[in-house]
Order: sequence, then C-alpha cells, then structure tokens
Amino acid sequence: EAGVAQSPRYKIIEKRQSVAFWCNPISGHATLYWYQQILGQGPKLLIQFQNNGVVDDSQLPKDRFSAERLKGVDSTLKIQPAKLEDSAVYLCASSLVSGGAIQTGYTFGSGTRLTVV
Amino acid sequence: AQSVSQHNHHVILSEAASLELGCNYSYGGTVNLFWYVQYPGQHLQLLLKYFSGDPLVKGIKGFEAEFIKSKFSFNLRKPSVQWSDTAEYFCAVRAGSARQLTFGSGTQLTVLP
Repeated sequence: EAGVAQSPRYKIIEKRQSVAFWCNPISGHATLYWYQQILGQGPKLLIQFQNNGVVDDSQLPKDRFSAERLKGVDSTLKIQPAKLEDSAVYLCASSLVSGGAIQTGYTFGSGTRLTVV
Repeated sequence: AQSVSQHNHHVILSEAASLELGCNYSYGGTVNLFWYVQYPGQHLQLLLKYFSGDPLVKGIKGFEAEFIKSKFSFNLRKPSVQWSDTAEYFCAVRAGSARQLTFGSGTQLTVLP
C-alpha cells in the first residue's frame, strides 16, 4: 500500500512570500488532515476534510492560510503571506473513517519542512 | 477541549534499561488512544492503539501500553530498550465523537549504546 505522499520535502521562503504544499492521501481514505508541527511541540490540527468538504477548520489562521481538496483526493495547503512564526513541519495525514468514527490511526506523510526567513 | 500531557520532555536511557513514558489526557468520556513514534528524519508512525477491550495493548517492536481509565493515563512501556529506539514519541487521543486526534507535545528518547 502506497503511503501518504507530500511535496516538497523542504521549502525556504522569505517572509511575506507565498507557499503551497501538496498532499496525496492513501487510496480509499476519505478523510484528510493537515497538521502543523512547530519544533519541540506536538502536531496541531489545521484543517480536516471529509472527501472534498471541510469538517473542521477552527484552528486554521484563515487570514493567511487556505486549503482545498477539490476532487476529494489530493489536497493543497497555501500560506499567503508567510510570517516567521509559520516555520514548522506541515504534516498531511489520512485515515479510514466509517460511521463517523476513525477506524484506525492516521497514516502520516513525511511532511514539508518550511523555513521562513 | 481535551488535552494531552506528556510530562517527560527528554528521557535518556542506556541500552537494556526499561522504559516508561507517561501520557495523561483530560476527557471524562470514551477515548481512543494512540502512541506514535518519529525516528530521526522519518515520518510519524503508529506504534500501537487502544480502542476497547483489554487495557493492555501490545504494539510493534516490543512496545506496550496500558490504559488506566481511573488515572486518565496511557503510559508506554518497553522492558528493554535498544539504541534503535532513539526517537520522539507522541501520545494522541481521540475524545468522544471527535473526528481528529489531539497530540501531546512529545517525549524525546535517547538510548545510549
């Protein structure tokens, strides 16, 4: 089974620039998550999709972050404009959800390490 | 909102020592519990999970965890660690009908050869 694919692996940008991350979840996993992991902290949920609909984006800084999952498969997360405090690893995960319940744990991608200078 | 606490930020052990990493959560209802591991330069991987039934859960690589409902805890254990266990370990909780996992801040384990 192929894992969760993310790209790019690393990105360095200047503050106020924009950046986009891409994620391809495991085939058949309808639920997709974007997490932000700042150095020394645990992953923090940014947004959750069920198919192509947003389930929870309450912790997404909507003034600068946006995400979409147009066809219910791949997803992109964008930051515009970036700030220094956005430096983090951005993790994509997918899971199998049935009856509203997570049937297993998440499968994570390798993440994109963003450095904002 | 639920929270997850991992009080040990960094644990250093010698090979063959026993390991116990603490995890406490704050939620009074039904929970699903997980431990993830992140080896240097790699992505988060599931070590073990608890959904229901036997509170002693066995995972990969000789790890186990015990769910103690009265203590709101899900501590990770391994009787004898190896150098290759050096990694960061994250506890995560799905509380009630929540559709996401909430993660603790992680514990960095360093095993000295």
